[in-house]
Amino acid sequence: ILNVEQSPQSLHVQEGDSTNFTCSFPSSNFYALHWYRWETAKSPEALFVMTLNGDEKKKGRISATLNTKEGYSYLYIKGSQPEDSATYLCASLNSGGGADGLTFGKGTHLIIQP
Amino acid sequence: GAGVSQSPSNKVTEKGKDVELRCDPISGHTALYWYRQSLGQGLEFLIYFQGNSAPDKSGLPSDRFSAERTGGSVSTLTIQRTQQEDSAVYLCASSNVGSGADTQYFGPGTRLTVL
Repeated sequence: ILNVEQSPQSLHVQEGDSTNFTCSFPSSNFYALHWYRWETAKSPEALFVMTLNGDEKKKGRISATLNTKEGYSYLYIKGSQPEDSATYLCASLNSGGGADGLTFGKGTHLIIQP
Repeated sequence: GAGVSQSPSNKVTEKGKDVELRCDPISGHTALYWYRQSLGQGLEFLIYFQGNSAPDKSGLPSDRFSAERTGGSVSTLTIQRTQQEDSAVYLCASSNVGSGADTQYFGPGTRLTVL
């Protein structure tokens, strides 16, 4: 059974501050790590798909890093804005590359306070 | 173009009834996935289709759950004899080719409440 863990479970951040949170996943048979942002009453929105150890991806003020050997990924948000408030989900695929369902963590619920 | 759509958006049903949930993937996407999120839990993988075939049914929680996909497009998830523990948000996603590194695009979900 795969366990994808995210921490913290929830986070309150002042507008303008930077923040980060963690996703840990099994390192064995790792294939891909996905990050999604899920706002209330909307569909989960894809942020990043990462496959290579040491990879770093960036999208505007949001960036992510990946360590496949130790099984963790960090998501960073620089200069938080109210519109960043959402639940951030990470998901791991560890099946060796075949198409398969992702294993999701429970998410980090981020609230940006004006 | 249009994203993934799901219907109904909300469904309230009585215990023991059958329900059918529908997913329209992005046109041309060959892979389609069903997930659900129960209260307090993470998204749970249910089933995946490549074209009309479902090579992995391991995530279906019981034999009351079934899914089909026709014409490589629309998919329906059927829950027979619903139980209260089936209450959850059911999400559908599609991806271009179904590789594990392919972005999955999610629909808005169907919120199922079993009374």
